[in-house]
Parts: sequence; structure tokens; C-alpha cells
Amino acid sequence: DSGVTQTPKHLITATGQRVTLRCSPRSGDLSVYWYQQSLDQGLQFLIQYYNGEERAKGNILERFSAQQFPDLHSELNLSSLELGDSALYFCASSVQTSGSQFFGPGTRLTVL
Amino acid sequence: GQQVMQIPQYQHVQEGEDFTTYCNSSTTLSNIQWYKQRPGGHPVFLIQLVKSGEVKKQKRLTFQFGEAKKNSSLHITATQTTDVGTYFCAEFYGGGSNYKLTFGKGTLLTVNP
Repeated sequence: DSGVTQTPKHLITATGQRVTLRCSPRSGDLSVYWYQQSLDQGLQFLIQYYNGEERAKGNILERFSAQQFPDLHSELNLSSLELGDSALYFCASSVQTSGSQFFGPGTRLTVL
Repeated sequence: GQQVMQIPQYQHVQEGEDFTTYCNSSTTLSNIQWYKQRPGGHPVFLIQLVKSGEVKKQKRLTFQFGEAKKNSSLHITATQTTDVGTYFCAEFYGGGSNYKLTFGKGTLLTVNP
């Protein structure tokens, strides 16, 4: 158990819908990262927040957005969902901005 | 954009054989991290390398960072079935308010008992 929690574990929805994935970092970690993992694209870095501020941006689509709240939990919002958005979404946290990351168990999103 | 080449993509070995995976970057890196993901699991941090030419060992695992900080390797001696999984390198480059993070596509290791 990494200490990072993610909810929900599984999510099934339809194309065009919007969903919110939630992540609680390890106690004391200020940095939160979001990743998308699919079979053909591997582990894709989406975005990172550090103490509430956006720190780095990866291959995040405009339909996706994220934020980190004052209590340091983070949410990833995915809108206008497409079939290709079906993937495993991981959240990770770290103490510093580029230190070792601890991954949560992931949210498996299925778009039908 | 930043390219991270990780080879091989797959490696199947007999238990007891050695295994090596390589990560190559087109850019000088700030640091590199290695992760392992078991089938059905999440990535787990193994090690971070920061210094040029750095070598670190964890039991049967040896990690190296190239002298030019553009490549890295993970070597497993005498593989065991518990080593099965996908090994990823994660590269950090840049600094300050403008740094980037990229994961390699991973090397899937399978071990025949």
C-alpha cells in the first residue's frame, strides 16, 4: 500500500459524458501527478501540481483538466469522453517536485 | 518533443539468466528514476539516479547513469520469477519552473521457471 488513494476504482460511462477522478496523496506529499496508461501508449504523463499550483504539463488534452485543492487532494476532470479515453488513470504523489513518486492503485475508465 | 527510447520492449528469460534494459534520451537529463509495475498493479519506485556515472545496487539489481547523463540501464542478475513485470525509466529534464517528465514505454520481463 503506497498511501495514495484513488476513487473510484472502476468507472463505466458513455461517449460525450464527463467524469471526475479523485486522488488523495500520501500524508506530507505536496506534489500530485496524473498519468494515463493504455496498452498502445504506455504510461503518459498528463499534469503535475505542487502545493496547489500547476507545476508541469505533459500530453494532456484540452478536454481534460485538473486541480489540486488546499487540502492537497486532486481531481482530474475528463469531458466530452471518447472511446479512446478508455484507459487506466494513475495518480502519484511525491514530497518534492521531482522526487520519487508513489502511485495509487488507479482508476479504470471504460467509455462505451 | 522529448524522446525517450527504452529497449528492448519485451524480454523473455529462463530463471537464473541475467536481464538488462536500457533507456536513452536525446537530451541531457536532470535525473532519472526507475519503476517496476507487476501485472495488474501500479508502478512502484525502485531508484533515482542524479549524478553523472552513478552506479547503485539493490540486491540483484544494478542501476547505472551514463557519464553524459543521457542514458541509463537496469541490470538484474540471476532473474527470479518474482522479477516478472514491466520496468519503466522516467526522465526529468530542465529545471526551475520549466521542467519536463517523460516515461519510457517500458520493458516487459517474463521469466520461465
